Amino acid sequence: NAGVTQTPKFRVLKTGQSMTLLCAQDMNHEYMYWYRQDPGMGLRLIHYSVGEGTTAKGEVPDGYNVSRLKKQNFLLGLESAAPSQTSVYFCASSVRGQGNQPQHFGDGTRLSIL
Amino acid sequence: GQQVMQIPQYQHVQEGEDFTTYCNSSTTLSNIQWYKQRPGGHPVFLIQLVKSGEVKKQKRLTFQFGEAKKNSSLHITATQTTDVGTYFCAGPKPGYSTLTFGKGTMLLVSP
Repeated sequence: NAGVTQTPKFRVLKTGQSMTLLCAQDMNHEYMYWYRQDPGMGLRLIHYSVGEGTTAKGEVPDGYNVSRLKKQNFLLGLESAAPSQTSVYFCASSVRGQGNQPQHFGDGTRLSIL
Repeated sequence: GQQVMQIPQYQHVQEGEDFTTYCNSSTTLSNIQWYKQRPGGHPVFLIQLVKSGEVKKQKRLTFQFGEAKKNSSLHITATQTTDVGTYFCAGPKPGYSTLTFGKGTMLLVSP
């Protein structure tokens, strides 16, 4: 009963490097989300998807790109990492959106940019 | 834009004391959700409130939704060390398929 799985769990990058964070869910959820969590800032939405092949910007999208080629996967890309992107990244999914369904979160990816 | 605010930001209690966190939205909400995040963990959904004035209980936790559907509270009776964590409220962002999370209240319980 995996739920939402994020890989990798930890990563250290140098400024300017690129990487992709993978989120996979096995609950057949339509909606998926990427958040970042920084001390004292709560959860801030980066991008989200309301279905396969769709993506939309959230509150803090700059410096990130996403893709949802398959319903179960939601990828978050950093093209040129910056120290300001050091954070904990959480992926979440829900049955539907409109903010009336619980979101199920993965364990997170702890990313440090040097 | 919509704002969801929580107070206090942090509270430290002795085991056995009660604890309350408050959530206030700048807009009327169709529902409000509460999540708990243990230290080093991920947010876990606790409950959803939908009706004006609704009160729900989960063992020692009592959740309330305000009459105007703009505020909510979470009360824990007789805290235990297992209650340690950050409690977030979240409400639907109007016109979007997303939630706006409050910044959370961090609860520390000393034995």
